[in-house]
Amino acid sequence: QKEVEQNSGPLSVPEGAIASLNCTYSDRGSQSFFWYRQYSGKSPELIMFIYSNGDKEDGRFTAQLNKASQYVSLLIRDSQPSDSATYLCAEDRSGGSNYKLTFGKGTLLTVNP
Amino acid sequence: EAQVTQNPRYLITVTGKKLTVTCSQNMNHEYMSWYRQDPGLGLRQIYYSMNVEVTDKGDVPEGYKVSRKEKRNFPLILESPSPNQTSLYFCASSSPGPTNYGYTFGSGTRLTVV
Repeated sequence: QKEVEQNSGPLSVPEGAIASLNCTYSDRGSQSFFWYRQYSGKSPELIMFIYSNGDKEDGRFTAQLNKASQYVSLLIRDSQPSDSATYLCAEDRSGGSNYKLTFGKGTLLTVNP
Repeated sequence: EAQVTQNPRYLITVTGKKLTVTCSQNMNHEYMSWYRQDPGLGLRQIYYSMNVEVTDKGDVPEGYKVSRKEKRNFPLILESPSPNQTSLYFCASSSPGPTNYGYTFGSGTRLTVV
């Protein structure tokens, strides 16, 4: 079965550092990818959406997509303790309509003050 | 406030007793979906709906039913709950088109089946 793979972590970084989160996928037909953040006991919230090869930046967050190598990454610059959460990678399997999202199991990030 | 509302937030029930978890969105979204989240397994899609009266199975539909009679509502029905359906359930909605940036999730329903 085609999967979305993430390192479960935990990934621990000091405050102010760059956190790098990675995700690989096996469905070459996938077009859109998402990064969600989930605090413990809360619902996932969307951080980034990317569908083109290359980088997409939004504030302290940069998403990178490489379709040839089938990976997506999320960089968080100037990490803050409030960034401590589980980060979920998701791919769209509805051919670009974004209603059939398949999630990875998530990477737990801890930012130490 | 734009939101996806699920009820109840917490539910403990017994095996075999039919239950319904309600979901409502006020954003006029066409797409709605149910996910369950389990430790070590992540978020898995149960059912999704692309519009009124249009639903389809996700990756783990066994033991669940859904209906979409109105655009804003998408209830999840467990006809005969079993302990392996103990999980955290999320409803989500989104809209097609160029502004579709993925699902907005509800606050979740924690279900325990004993």
